[in-house]
Amino acid sequence: IAGITQAPTSQILAAGRRMTLRCTQDMRHNAMYWYRQDLGLGLRLIHYSNTAGTTGKGEVPDGYSVSRANTDDFPLTLASAVPSQTSVYFCASRRDSNTDTQYFGPGTRLTVL
Amino acid sequence: AQSVTQPDIHITVSEGASLELRCNYSYGATPYLFWYVQSPGQGLQLLLKYFSGDTLVQGIKGFEAEFKRSQSSFNLRKPSVHWSDAAEYFCAVGARGAQKLVFGQGTRLTINP
Repeated sequence: IAGITQAPTSQILAAGRRMTLRCTQDMRHNAMYWYRQDLGLGLRLIHYSNTAGTTGKGEVPDGYSVSRANTDDFPLTLASAVPSQTSVYFCASRRDSNTDTQYFGPGTRLTVL
Repeated sequence: AQSVTQPDIHITVSEGASLELRCNYSYGATPYLFWYVQSPGQGLQLLLKYFSGDTLVQGIKGFEAEFKRSQSSFNLRKPSVHWSDAAEYFCAVGARGAQKLVFGQGTRLTINP
């Protein structure tokens, strides 16, 4: 079934550790996104990529980095995790940056202690 | 600045009753509007979207929404809810070429048997 996969499903992490959240899509979408979801705040954009080889900052990029080496994969890295990064992280994609239906992955629940 | 407001954090309705979830937006450009649903522990699923044309749009699972430009609203409705509709509902606004969707805080729907 075509779609977006994220790994891990959930993770508990000690503060200061490095963590990479994985996101893979098989829809050949050009644009990909990382959001975090926090209670009462909805979803907030962390980073985005309009096409392979390019990335951009969203509204809450601090403490996170991304790369887009190919069309399918868009990993999100926390270089040194802090408790405020405890959240549910969603990866999303859309065909290109000029079409506006985004499709979401199942999410990764991350707890930083 | 763009913003989306969902005034109701939590709504409880009886099974078989009608439902209306409110969404108000503030957006400088002509908006594209979306409703997503999130079941517990799941990712976001697109219910419906409005880009242009008929202001009453039909979505999946028997949902519909009406775009009212004069009121800056895009309320979601369903004539008769089912227990399986219990979930969190998010309204979002975007625009052609915009890098991100702006999400509301979400409305949690509980269904009484």
